[in-house]
Amino acid sequence: KAGVTQTPRYLIKTRGQQVTLSCSPISGHRSVSWYQQTPGQGLQFLFEYFSETQRNKGNFPGRFSGRQFSNSRSEMNVSTLELGDSALYLCASSLLGYQPQHFGDGTRLSIL
Amino acid sequence: SQELEQSPQSLIVQEGKNLTINCTSSKTLYGLYWYKQKYGEGLIFLMMLQKGGEEKSHEKITAKLDEKKQQSSLHITASQPSHAGIYLCGADPNSGGSNYKLTFGKGTLLTVNP
Repeated sequence: KAGVTQTPRYLIKTRGQQVTLSCSPISGHRSVSWYQQTPGQGLQFLFEYFSETQRNKGNFPGRFSGRQFSNSRSEMNVSTLELGDSALYLCASSLLGYQPQHFGDGTRLSIL
Repeated sequence: SQELEQSPQSLIVQEGKNLTINCTSSKTLYGLYWYKQKYGEGLIFLMMLQKGGEEKSHEKITAKLDEKKQQSSLHITASQPSHAGIYLCGADPNSGGSNYKLTFGKGTLLTVNP
């Protein structure tokens, strides 16, 4: 069974640009969560989608948005990139509540 | 909001030694998850604990959740270089105990010297 797939693995952007990251969950998983990991703040929750609806949202500015498609694949978008957005962005999927989340290998975003 | 504090922040052990990593919560833990991460990579699920006093083991790793459900420990017996990495504990801040939006500790960096 394929794991959670995130593309691209690495991305370099400049300030002010926007970026879209993609996540394909494990087959059958309908919940997809996104996290940002930085050395200073650690792993922080961004948002969670289930059946194309955002159910939970973390404390991030509106520049961070996402969506989920009918096949459960999810995308995350960051607009007007800032230097502080440089981070490892991780996607996780789960089957149901109380079941563990399974993580992808992440997208390393670097802002120049 | 719930905060998870992990200790120690880093740990260097000789291969074959036992070690323990702790995760302490400011609130009751309704679901506690342990993950391992290699630097720059994704998280690998290790174990999930939900009941006070619960203990689970997998190979040489044992995780426990105390009776009061505010502290968890991860114990590795006879450590090997393959155990090296960052260990993270995560929990849902809501009493429902679902895992859709986890709060994580800052992690414990484990180095195992051969």
